[in-house]
Amino acid sequence: GAGVSQSPSNKVTEKGKDVELRCDPISGHTALYWYRQSLGQGLEFLIYFQGNSAPDKSGLPSDRFSAERTGGSVSTLTIQRTQQEDSAVYLCASSHRTSGGGDTQYFGPGTRLTVL
Amino acid sequence: GEDVEQSLFLSVREGDSSVINCTYTDSSSTYLYWYKQEPGAGLQLLTYIFSNMDMKQDQRLTVLLNKKDKHLSLRIADTQTGDSAIYFCAETSPRWGNYGQNFVFGPGTRLSVLP
Repeated sequence: GAGVSQSPSNKVTEKGKDVELRCDPISGHTALYWYRQSLGQGLEFLIYFQGNSAPDKSGLPSDRFSAERTGGSVSTLTIQRTQQEDSAVYLCASSHRTSGGGDTQYFGPGTRLTVL
Repeated sequence: GEDVEQSLFLSVREGDSSVINCTYTDSSSTYLYWYKQEPGAGLQLLTYIFSNMDMKQDQRLTVLLNKKDKHLSLRIADTQTGDSAIYFCAETSPRWGNYGQNFVFGPGTRLSVLP
């Protein structure tokens, strides 16, 4: 596709349920990032993938959060036993990662998660 | 840890220039970015500047970087109502050598353009 896509765009769930959020990066982008944006807050880094491996999981807030990426493409962020404080917009970004310095991330539209 | 700060709100009149400021703490920052987020939308990359530059201009946008003071600004000339959005400053550096880097984002500045 032309850009990063995420699904669903909106998810309402009950406290205690598990949710899966999906990210489809730009074709050919090797790096994939997940962020969380809580209401009125800036972006919070969650996890970074290079290919299928996740060299940096430092941002995952608890062991209820996990993410995987298969085939170096689509990524799924799973939140188990959701809590109300998990309510946020979850943003995915991808980039054509180059070694050394910076690269430019392209963001998806986000998934708005509401935990009742 | 690394930190990026921005003022949270800015209001300008249509046609005026807007200047959104950002400060960061990481002296090893290599790239600095400005993103725009319109209501209900994801982040849109506006522009970025490499740390060895002090200015970059792109149509109505001018980015100024003062590396000594770790200060970044985004100037929008002839601000329009369509520029109303939240603007995020972000910085990145290769903190783990060639493996992994993450962006550190500021809290965002909400720009309101008044008619």
